[in-house]
Amino acid sequence: EAQVTQNPRYLITVTGKKLTVTCSQNMNHEYMSWYRQDPGLGLRQIYYSMNVEVTDKGDVPEGYKVSRKEKRNFPLILESPSPNQTSLYFCASGPTGNTGELFFGEGSRLTVL
Amino acid sequence: AQSVAQPEDQVNVAEGNPLTVKCTYSVSGNPYLFWYVQYPNRGLQFLLKYITGDNLVKGSYGFEAEFNKSQTSFHLKKPSALVSDSALYFCAVRDVTNAGKSTFGDGTTLTVKP
Repeated sequence: EAQVTQNPRYLITVTGKKLTVTCSQNMNHEYMSWYRQDPGLGLRQIYYSMNVEVTDKGDVPEGYKVSRKEKRNFPLILESPSPNQTSLYFCASGPTGNTGELFFGEGSRLTVL
Repeated sequence: AQSVAQPEDQVNVAEGNPLTVKCTYSVSGNPYLFWYVQYPNRGLQFLLKYITGDNLVKGSYGFEAEFNKSQTSFHLKKPSALVSDSALYFCAVRDVTNAGKSTFGDGTTLTVKP
């Protein structure tokens, strides 16, 4: 089954404790991206990757890091989480180019105390 | 910079009635436009897209959308709403000149009442 898998789905952590949210896709997609969803703000793009070893900032990259060492994986790293990073995070993948639709994971709900 | 506006936070319709969820966009070049739906506690699912060609595009679950270049709009429509259509709907745009950037609207909650 074609899917985008995120882990963990739910996480409560404390300020400053480094964490990683993993994302993996099995559709051989070149493009992957991370979004955060906050009430009233829709989805905002954090980082995206056009292919292996190619990453770029989205609209809200501050406080986040990403890496793309393999085609299927695109982890999101919060080096020192803060309460304003409490949010619902989505990973998405898609074929190369900008005409293809995105496939989304089920989301990771992160709470930073 | 590209942007998307969904002017209505909430749309309420009765089952069997037609529905419209509005979307307007702003991009520097030609737009690639998408609609996604999100059910509670789930990720977004693709409904339909406009890339080029016919201004009326048809998608999943009986939804369609009309691209209007002069009004920079891409409204989502369905002739007869179902209770199961109740969900959060997002309009999104990708710019021809920047394949990586995807901009989403704030979302519109559609409620279909029996």
